[in-house]
Formats: sequence, structure tokens, C-alpha cells
Amino acid sequence: GAGVSQSPSNKVTEKGKDVELRCDPISGHTALYWYRQSLGQGLEFLIYFQGNSAPDKSGLPSDRFSAERTGGSVSTLTIQRTQQEDSAVYLCASSLDQGWIDTQYFGPGTRLTVL
Amino acid sequence: KQEVTQIPAALSVPEGENLVLNCSFTDSAIYNLQWFRQDPGKGLTSLLLIQSSQREQTSGRLNASLDKSSGRSTLYIAASQPGDSATYLCAVSGGGADGLTFGKGTHLIIQP
Repeated sequence: GAGVSQSPSNKVTEKGKDVELRCDPISGHTALYWYRQSLGQGLEFLIYFQGNSAPDKSGLPSDRFSAERTGGSVSTLTIQRTQQEDSAVYLCASSLDQGWIDTQYFGPGTRLTVL
Repeated sequence: KQEVTQIPAALSVPEGENLVLNCSFTDSAIYNLQWFRQDPGKGLTSLLLIQSSQREQTSGRLNASLDKSSGRSTLYIAASQPGDSATYLCAVSGGGADGLTFGKGTHLIIQP
């Protein structure tokens, strides 16, 4: 079956512009995660959704970052007024139910470059 | 705050050798531990998931062990092949809405 998909695969934007990244989880997966992988920094957890609800948004790096999920499926991560330090690969993952019990399946990521 | 360390950071071995990758974590209150591989420019592929109540998991030539009390896990790769070349990441789950905490990975090269 289809895995986790993300779009776009690459995004180049100018500093100060807003960007929207999209994640399509595996069908039927209720849990969805966003992570960021910066060069030399490793993988950093950003936010988790159970259904459409994100119980804790404290992992988001700043108030320029927001995320939503509708219909218990597609999720979007929005970065407003992008900065050069936002350049990274943004990865989305989904799991069948609770992520701490089930395997998380990752998408290919969106590579964001802020000029 | 949970911290995950992977040793070595890089490893290069000839094809056919058995090898061990190490992972340690500072907080033993975990729900599970996962090993992933990441190929250049690609996402993560889950290799093995060990629940906190388990001691090991096996899949083909891969065997992962977990010693929760000492905060350690190892990934054993038997009869290594060039196709095993990738970055191997260890991640632990503390439950709740915290997601996975990742190590920085071991970059593995298997020489033909």
C-alpha cells in the first residue's frame, strides 16, 4: 500500500516569505508526527497529532511555526516569515495508533532552503 | 530531558564482517526503542522496534537488543553487504506527546 507522502519534495524560498508543507499519512493511521532534520543537528521532534488534535505545541521552534490536521488525515506545517535558520529537511511520520506503542513510518521529507 | 548517544559516529568495514552499533539513552523510562536506516536524500526506514518489556528483536541479518535498566541498545548486523551502507539511527519513545528522541546516527560504509 501507499506510504507516507510529502509535498513538495524541495522548496526554495526567499527570507521573509511564508511556506506551507504538506503530509499525507498512511490511510487509517491516527497518529501523525512532524520532525526537522538540520545539517549536523540530527532529528528534532516538532509536533504530534492524535486525530485532529495536537495536545502539546511546545516543540515548535517559534511562534512562526504552526501546524494543523483536518479530517484526521492530511496535515500542513506552515512557517511564516521564513528565516535562513529554518533551512532543513522536514519529515513527517504516521503510526496506526499511539506512536509510543506502534512503529512510526516516515515520509521522504521536504527539503526547505531559505535564501 | 532524554538524550540519546550513538557510538561510533562512523564505521567502515569490509564486506562479510559482523558488526555492532551502539546506542545509549539517559532516561530509562521509555516505552520502546526503534532502529532506523536512512539512505542519502531519503526518509527513514524502520528496521526494528523493541517494546520496553522485550529484550531483543530479530529481522533477517539484523538483531537488536535492549537493556532498559542500563540505558543501552545494540544493533547487530551479520554478514554485512555493500547494500547495508547507510546511516543507522536509534530513537526512543518516552510516551505522551513527545515524539521520538533520536541519536545523531552511525554512518556505516561496507566496502565491497
